[in-house]
Amino acid sequence: EAQVTQNPRYLITVTGKKLTVTCSQNMNHEYMSWYRQDPGLGLRQIYYSMNVEVTDKGDVPEGYKVSRKEKRNFPLILESPSPNQTSLYFCASSNLATDTQYFGPGTRLTVL
Amino acid sequence: AQSVSQHNHHVILSEAASLELGCNYSYGGTVNLFWYVQYPGQHLQLLLKYFSGDPLVKGIKGFEAEFIKSKFSFNLRKPSVQWSDTAEYFCAVNRGSYIPTFGRGTSLIVHP
Repeated sequence: EAQVTQNPRYLITVTGKKLTVTCSQNMNHEYMSWYRQDPGLGLRQIYYSMNVEVTDKGDVPEGYKVSRKEKRNFPLILESPSPNQTSLYFCASSNLATDTQYFGPGTRLTVL
Repeated sequence: AQSVSQHNHHVILSEAASLELGCNYSYGGTVNLFWYVQYPGQHLQLLLKYFSGDPLVKGIKGFEAEFIKSKFSFNLRKPSVQWSDTAEYFCAVNRGSYIPTFGRGTSLIVHP
């Protein structure tokens, strides 16, 4: 089954404790991205990747890092989480030809 | 900067009512246009998209959208909504940069 998976689905952590949210897709998509969803603000792109070892900033990259060492994986790293990063995070992937994004189930992060 | 405006933030309808959700964008060049839907507790999924050709696009579950280039609009419509259409709807615009811009979303509640 074609899908985008994220782990963990829920995470409560404390300020400053490094964390990683994993994202994996099995569709051989070149393009992957991370979004955060906040009430009243819709989806805002954090980082995106056009292919392995190619990443770039989206609209709200501050406080986040990503890596793309393999085509299927695109982890999101918060080196020192802060409460303003409490949000719902979605990973997405797409085939560059179709430009249609497939979204993961979301990760609800709470930073205390 | 490119922006996407969804005029209705909250819409409440009764079953069988007609629906139209507005979406306007600010970019004047060639764009790809999307509507995504997020059912309660679920991830975003594609409802329909427009790349080129017939400006009236039909999607899943009886939804359609019309691209009006002169008005920079891509409004979503459904002639008769159902309770199961209760969800959040996002308009998205991509001008080929693989950095899609999402609107803030419209929350639709359909009363049975």
